[in-house]
Amino acid sequence: DTGVSQNPRHKITKRGQNVTFRCDPISEHNRLYWYRQTLGQGPEFLTYFQNEAQLEKSRLLSDRFSAERPKGSFSTLEIQRTEQGDSAMYLCASSPLAAPETQYFGPGTRLLVL
Amino acid sequence: AQKVTQAQTEISVVEKEDVTLDCVYETRDTTYYLFWYKQPPSGELVFLIRRNSFDEQNEISGRYSWNFQKSTSSFNFTITASQVVDSAVYFCAYAGGTSYGKLTFGQGTILTVHP
Repeated sequence: DTGVSQNPRHKITKRGQNVTFRCDPISEHNRLYWYRQTLGQGPEFLTYFQNEAQLEKSRLLSDRFSAERPKGSFSTLEIQRTEQGDSAMYLCASSPLAAPETQYFGPGTRLLVL
Repeated sequence: AQKVTQAQTEISVVEKEDVTLDCVYETRDTTYYLFWYKQPPSGELVFLIRRNSFDEQNEISGRYSWNFQKSTSSFNFTITASQVVDSAVYFCAYAGGTSYGKLTFGQGTILTVHP
């Protein structure tokens, strides 16, 4: 069983550019979550999907952020017009139908906005 | 709103010492889950344990043990005979309500085990 995978693992971009991250959940996990973690802090919830439906979005998810899970499998998180404050680790997690509360995390994508 | 507090920012111990990481939570939910995750230097969050609010039995897994006390809203984690490989950031987390759609994390405790 492969775990959650995320690509890219690292991304450096200039302020104002758009970036897109991908998350592939554990096979057959129907829930997929996105979190953001800044240095020295715990992860903060951004949004989650059950299959292809986006069920909850945090207020942290400004209008520059958009997440999709078009076929209920992988998901993408796009940040438009990046700002230096977007620099963080973006974590993806998935959970199975049988235990939706138990989330398994991927290795994260570390974003640095210059 | 739910809140998770890990009062210990950093703990430093010498190998083979026992160490306890504290976690206190606030909630009005009657049904909820509590978790501990480990984040080694590589950055990936590793799931360690899940407890639900109806099960206050303590749990032991090898050198790890967890003490859940609803009366004090605490879910503490003890590592017995610590090892250098235990060095990591440990997070306590909470999921509650009806959808369990998100985890609320504490600030984390940095554990350093010296040889």
